[in-house]
Amino acid sequence: GAVVSQHPSRVICKSGTSVKIECRSLDFQATTMFWYRQFPKKSLMLMATSNEGSKATYEQGVEKDKFLINHASLTLSTLTVTSAHPEDSSFYICSALTDNTEAFFGQGTRLTVV
Amino acid sequence: GQNIDQPTEMTATEGAIVQINCTYQTSGFNGLFWYQQHAGEAPTFLSYNVLDGLEEKGRFSSFLSRSKGYSYLLLKELQMKDSASYLCAVRERGSYIPTFGRGTSLIVHP
Repeated sequence: GAVVSQHPSRVICKSGTSVKIECRSLDFQATTMFWYRQFPKKSLMLMATSNEGSKATYEQGVEKDKFLINHASLTLSTLTVTSAHPEDSSFYICSALTDNTEAFFGQGTRLTVV
Repeated sequence: GQNIDQPTEMTATEGAIVQINCTYQTSGFNGLFWYQQHAGEAPTFLSYNVLDGLEEKGRFSSFLSRSKGYSYLLLKELQMKDSASYLCAVRERGSYIPTFGRGTSLIVHP
């Protein structure tokens, strides 16, 4: 299957700082990528849809100024958590569509804000 | 939007068969996915159903009944490594974004 690489896999940051998470499609071009957040023992919650060359579409309740998404190329989308707080600690996962049928996920990023 | 329901937790014995059910309500159906997710890892794709019937893929099979808004994932010859969360996700017509259920935590014991 297609490969989606997400980096870093784990990050610990201080409260008030910003963290950037990268999502790359390694062997295909992805015009659309998705960013999810998952709290322990909970399901994946879609945060935003990232479209190459245009602004991301955020789900209701997700602050676009806090979770900055950039999709500058067909193989890279980034999520920046700005002014992180302990409540932002979570598992963040990206996925990319190959052909509107199957979504491949990155490895996920465990963010801990202390 | 969709309303997706699946059991929270199931247990089964190694070597046995287990069926994980998923029911959904949607205004326009456009496919159902099953994913496996081990703790602390990203989900991995298992199956995709858009037409009624059974899709078999090795030890795993997935069934869909659109008229009943129902799907199940069948796992045969269970192995300890099958202990994981199994996510049912439904996509609506006109959208390419699947919505995930809460997931079913499957515990396989010896």
